[in-house]
Amino acid sequence: DGGITQSPKYLFRKEGQNVTLSCEQNLNHDAMYWYRQDPGQGLRLIYYSQIVNDFQKGDIAEGYSVSREKKESFPLTVTSAQKNPTAFYLCASSGTEYEQYFGPGTRLTVT
Amino acid sequence: GNSVTQMEGPVTLSEEAFLTINCTYTATGYPSLFWYVQYPGEGLQLLLKATKADDKGSNKGFEATYRKETTSFHLEKGSVQVSDSAVYFCALSKSGAGSYQLTFGKGTKLSVIP
Repeated sequence: DGGITQSPKYLFRKEGQNVTLSCEQNLNHDAMYWYRQDPGQGLRLIYYSQIVNDFQKGDIAEGYSVSREKKESFPLTVTSAQKNPTAFYLCASSGTEYEQYFGPGTRLTVT
Repeated sequence: GNSVTQMEGPVTLSEEAFLTINCTYTATGYPSLFWYVQYPGEGLQLLLKATKADDKGSNKGFEATYRKETTSFHLEKGSVQVSDSAVYFCALSKSGAGSYQLTFGKGTKLSVIP
């Protein structure tokens, strides 16, 4: 079945450590996205990529980094510079239509 | 800039009640409009969409009509079930070239009680 996978579902890290969240899609979509979700705040765009080897900052890119070396993969690194990294992270992709398809999410807890 | 405003929740309804979740938007051009649903602990699923004025999106008994004159895209269902309990997000796409970004509302939590 085509879809988006994110791993792991739950992730725990100590403050000061970088952590990388995985996102893989087999939908043959060109565009991929990373969102952060906090209670009561909806979704906020962190980074997006329209094609391989290219990506753009979203609304809250500070403290995050991404790469897009393959069409299928768009990993997100949460760096130690991110002041409040505990959140639910969602990856999405889109093809020729504007709707985005989402993965199951990764809940990151930093203590 | 673009923005989406949803009615604040939580919304609590009895099974078989009628549901309306209001959504209004501000955007330049002609955006596409979407409703997504998120069940506890999961990602978002596309529920329905409309790409131009007066279009009606529908899925699983839910409907929403793209009203350009009132800049609205209200979600409705005639008879809700316990399984409809979830958070619902209204969203719009930026119009024009390279329109890949979605702007989301803050979400409305729906609880349906037996």
